[in-house]
Amino acid sequence: AQSVTQPDIHITVSEGASLELRCNYSYGATPYLFWYVQSPGQGLQLLLKYFSGDTLVQGIKGFEAEFKRSQSSFNLRKPSVHWSDAAEYFCAYHNYGQNFVFGPGTRLSVLP
Amino acid sequence: AAGVIQSPRHLIKEKRETATLKCYPIPRHDTVYWYQQGPGQDPQFLISFYEKMQSDKGSIPDRFSAQQFSDYHSELNMSSLELGDSALYFCASSPSRLAGGSYNEQFFGPGTRLTVL
Repeated sequence: AQSVTQPDIHITVSEGASLELRCNYSYGATPYLFWYVQSPGQGLQLLLKYFSGDTLVQGIKGFEAEFKRSQSSFNLRKPSVHWSDAAEYFCAYHNYGQNFVFGPGTRLSVLP
Repeated sequence: AAGVIQSPRHLIKEKRETATLKCYPIPRHDTVYWYQQGPGQDPQFLISFYEKMQSDKGSIPDRFSAQQFSDYHSELNMSSLELGDSALYFCASSPSRLAGGSYNEQFFGPGTRLTVL
């Protein structure tokens, strides 16, 4: 079955430290991949997306993600985390006209 | 820029009551999606509409129904509400395929928080 996995349920980093959130998908073809961020009680904000082309994509708020076909991964990275980055992060894919499939989410906590 | 509008933002109902959630897509978006996000859960796809026709169906209970109107807004109707229906309900819209939009990119609304007492 098609799925998205985010192995880390909860990650805690210190402010200023680097961050990597993992995402793996299982789908035969290359799907369209997305990262969304959700603050408590809020909606989903798109951070970045990958459709094709350059496998390293830049997003908002200093985030980037790298698509690795061989590993079926689309990990999200940020070189220096800010306290305002504390939120829930969802990886999702959308395969050619069908609905989104979201991963379970990774909750990010930032220590001062 | 215009975004997806959902109303109401918050709704409190009692068990066995009915609720109607509304979604107004971004102008010139012809596809609407509904998702349900329970507490601490990831969003789960419920149903979608393209050009006023149901295009895909997910884990939507039989007690729920939805439709898309001629102005492309959509309504999610929920009857015989249960405590487990308490959740955040998101609507998303996609650009028109005819307009050359990236129809796979969904733009999410702020959600309607439904509380069933």
